[in-house]
Amino acid sequence: KNEVEQSPQNLTAQEGEFITINCSYSVGISALHWLQQHPGGGIVSLFMLSSGKKKHGRLIATINIQEKHSSLHITASHPRDSAVYICAVYSGNQFYFGTGTSLTVIP
Amino acid sequence: NAGVTQTPKFQVLKTGQSMTLQCAQDMNHNSMYWYRQDPGMGLRLIYYSASEGTTDKGEVPNGYNVSRLNKREFSLRLESAAPSQTSVYFCASSERFSGANVLTFGAGSRLTVL
Repeated sequence: KNEVEQSPQNLTAQEGEFITINCSYSVGISALHWLQQHPGGGIVSLFMLSSGKKKHGRLIATINIQEKHSSLHITASHPRDSAVYICAVYSGNQFYFGTGTSLTVIP
Repeated sequence: NAGVTQTPKFQVLKTGQSMTLQCAQDMNHNSMYWYRQDPGMGLRLIYYSASEGTTDKGEVPNGYNVSRLNKREFSLRLESAAPSQTSVYFCASSERFSGANVLTFGAGSRLTVL
């Protein structure tokens, strides 16, 4: 059983499209993280949120605690957004990770 | 820059050889973690350390040992490497701020066991 489920697993978009990646979790959490990993690269934190909505540039993250669901939106997608996006939650004393969504943005 | 530093970035071993992955953080975080990342399986926890002097097994601890040398450093040792340990390894650290746990990763170490 996976504590964190992401969808879709793979996503291909044309440059400029609006993109949504979804994350559902089954455990009680204090915060949810969205992470980004470029091919062959390290993992960087995009957002940490425990309620509502956060925005950073073209990226928007929302969370609904009651429904145990979060979404990551990318507006006006660009080829440099091509990466794996990982949802993670903190519960108990450890983090649980989704398997990631691989996004490819085509020029 | 503040963050998590792990070494080496790349390593090739022969089956049965040993090695230690080093990790250090300068953010004064209490918790540190070692994960492995394999295609299609996401990040899996090998060991973690909630504070200096404590370590606990994660999901996939077999074949690994760890040492929390001090608050800054958390090393991962492979005593007798096996091809199944070919993976990308990430060290991470975490601390609770304002009711939530921030999480910072190292750049990763790519290990190949022949």
